[in-house]
Amino acid sequence: EAGVAQSPRYKIIEKRQSVAFWCNPISGHATLYWYQQILGQGPKLLIQFQNNGVVDDSQLPKDRFSAERLKGVDSTLKIQPAKLEDSAVYLCASSLAGGPFEQYFGPGTRLTVT
Amino acid sequence: KQEVTQIPAALSVPEGENLVLNCSFTDSAIYNLQWFRQDPGKGLTSLLLIQSSQREQTSGRLNASLDKSSGRSTLYIAASQPGDSATYLCAVNPDYGQFYFGTGTSLTVIP
Repeated sequence: EAGVAQSPRYKIIEKRQSVAFWCNPISGHATLYWYQQILGQGPKLLIQFQNNGVVDDSQLPKDRFSAERLKGVDSTLKIQPAKLEDSAVYLCASSLAGGPFEQYFGPGTRLTVT
Repeated sequence: KQEVTQIPAALSVPEGENLVLNCSFTDSAIYNLQWFRQDPGKGLTSLLLIQSSQREQTSGRLNASLDKSSGRSTLYIAASQPGDSATYLCAVNPDYGQFYFGTGTSLTVIP
């Protein structure tokens, strides 16, 4: 069974530029999560989707971050414009819609904003 | 809001030693708790998930226990190996889907 796929693996941009990350969850997983992990910290949830609807986006900086999940499968997370403090690893995870909600993570995208 | 703490932040042990990693959380009303391993530059690998009705889960040399009333979970690693060197994270799910992570314990197993 294929795992969670993410691309790109690495991205370097200048501040005020825009960037987009892509995630393809495990087949059949209705729930998809985007996390931000700053160096030395645990992952912080940015947004959670159930199919193509948003369940929780309370910690998403909506003035610069946006995410969508078209057709309830792939998802894209965008940052526009980027700030230096956005430098982090962006992780995508997925789980089955019903319990026990065991999460499976992709390899992440390491973003460096200069 | 749920707060998750992992102590110690770093641990170094000789190969073959048994060890325990600790995770504590502030709100005992949880749905489940999941332990992960993270290698440098990599994503998170799921190790064990304990549902709120369970006391422990085992997988190979790993055993995770959960005591909701005291807000604690432990991950026991038997006969540690250099390949176990990684950062170990625990995550608490207070209701369906949302997980709160600790900052992790960085484990080094010395050959």
